Amino acid sequence: DAKTTQPTSMDCAEGRAANLPCNHSTISGNEYVYWYRQIHSQGPQYIIHGLKNNETNEMASLIITEDRKSSTLILPHATLRDTAVYYCIVRVGYSGNTPLVFGKGTRLSVIA
Amino acid sequence: NAGVTQTPKFRVLKTGQSMTLLCAQDMNHEYMYWYRQDPGMGLRLIHYSVGEGTTAKGEVPDGYNVSRLKKQNFLLGLESAAPSQTSVYFCASSGPVRGANVLTFGAGSRLTVL
Repeated sequence: DAKTTQPTSMDCAEGRAANLPCNHSTISGNEYVYWYRQIHSQGPQYIIHGLKNNETNEMASLIITEDRKSSTLILPHATLRDTAVYYCIVRVGYSGNTPLVFGKGTRLSVIA
Repeated sequence: NAGVTQTPKFRVLKTGQSMTLLCAQDMNHEYMYWYRQDPGMGLRLIHYSVGEGTTAKGEVPDGYNVSRLKKQNFLLGLESAAPSQTSVYFCASSGPVRGANVLTFGAGSRLTVL
């Protein structure tokens, strides 16, 4: 399974876009990019996933480079409630039958 | 629609005692998982199940047993608790979303072993 590299921590001003990078240079063709976040001591929360194309939902946007070796999670207008640890995971899809493995993630602090 | 429910939310044990954590999901998911999270650390997979009656080991299975007798329930057991098992335990279930495997987590069970 492809490994991911994320910065340990990042700061973002409230109201600004938060751009969280993730490197996954060994990703294979059938692996998805998943993003989850964990707000202080709560259970992790699914944000978004993608395979090749950029994706957007009500929470965030996911930009995947054309070679799929890196991606960026964008929170368009960060609020204090977005302060959390963000996990980028690369894993095969549902039919691959393998569980997600969480690394240490990026600790995002949104500052007023 | 409750999603994933974990019981109990808090528990204090003495070394050597046994206990069972219960995870229940109402989304008809095939896959279920148990993770643990120690202070300041990421989540580590203990055991998981890909369907009723099946279980498999994760990264840190020692000291734990699991059972999936019913599709909606996944039980995590500690036969003889040790202080090293003090942690927050998260259960999750997953289903297919546009081909991907998307997890829904419970709120966690905080276990302290004295």
